[in-house]
Amino acid sequence: KAGVTQTPRYLIKTRGQQVTLSCSPISGHRSVSWYQQTPGQGLQFLFEYFSETQRNKGNFPGRFSGRQFSNSRSEMNVSTLELGDSALYLCASSIRTGTAAEAFFGQGTRLTVV
Amino acid sequence: AQRVTQPEKLLSVFKGAPVELKCNYSYSGSPELFWYVQYSRQRLQLLLRHISRESIKGFTADLNKGETSFHLKKPFAQEEDSAMYYCALREGGTASKLTFGTGTRLQVTL
Repeated sequence: KAGVTQTPRYLIKTRGQQVTLSCSPISGHRSVSWYQQTPGQGLQFLFEYFSETQRNKGNFPGRFSGRQFSNSRSEMNVSTLELGDSALYLCASSIRTGTAAEAFFGQGTRLTVV
Repeated sequence: AQRVTQPEKLLSVFKGAPVELKCNYSYSGSPELFWYVQYSRQRLQLLLRHISRESIKGFTADLNKGETSFHLKKPFAQEEDSAMYYCALREGGTASKLTFGTGTRLQVTL
């Protein structure tokens, strides 16, 4: 069974640009969550999508957005990039949302903003 | 708001020594607690969760609601246990959001 796939693996962008990251969940998984990992803040929850609907959102500015398609694939978008957005962005998929659903993580997309 | 605290950034032990990685949490409801592990150059993966009450790779963790702790323990450390360990909390209910601690790097030396 293929794991969670994130593309691209590495990305370098300039301040002010926008970026789109992609996540393909494990087949059959309908919930996709996104996390930002930085040395200073650790792993922080961005948002969760389930059945194409945003279920939960973390404490991030509106520049961070996401969506989920009917095949459960998800994208997250960051507009007007800032240097502080440099981070490893992780996607996790679960077969369902909520209690007892195990989350499987992708390898992440490392975004560098210069 | 929920919070997970892992007080140690680095824990260094000798092979064969006991290991205890500490995790404390604050949450007013009934949380689910997890331990995730990240080996070098590998993705974050679930090690164990309190609702399963199982032992994985010799590791166990007991949820202590009175002390709001979920410490990870192993009686005899192995070299292959060297990794980054994250404690995480999920609120009960329908949300999937995980709140992570800052992680503890376990270093097992000969």
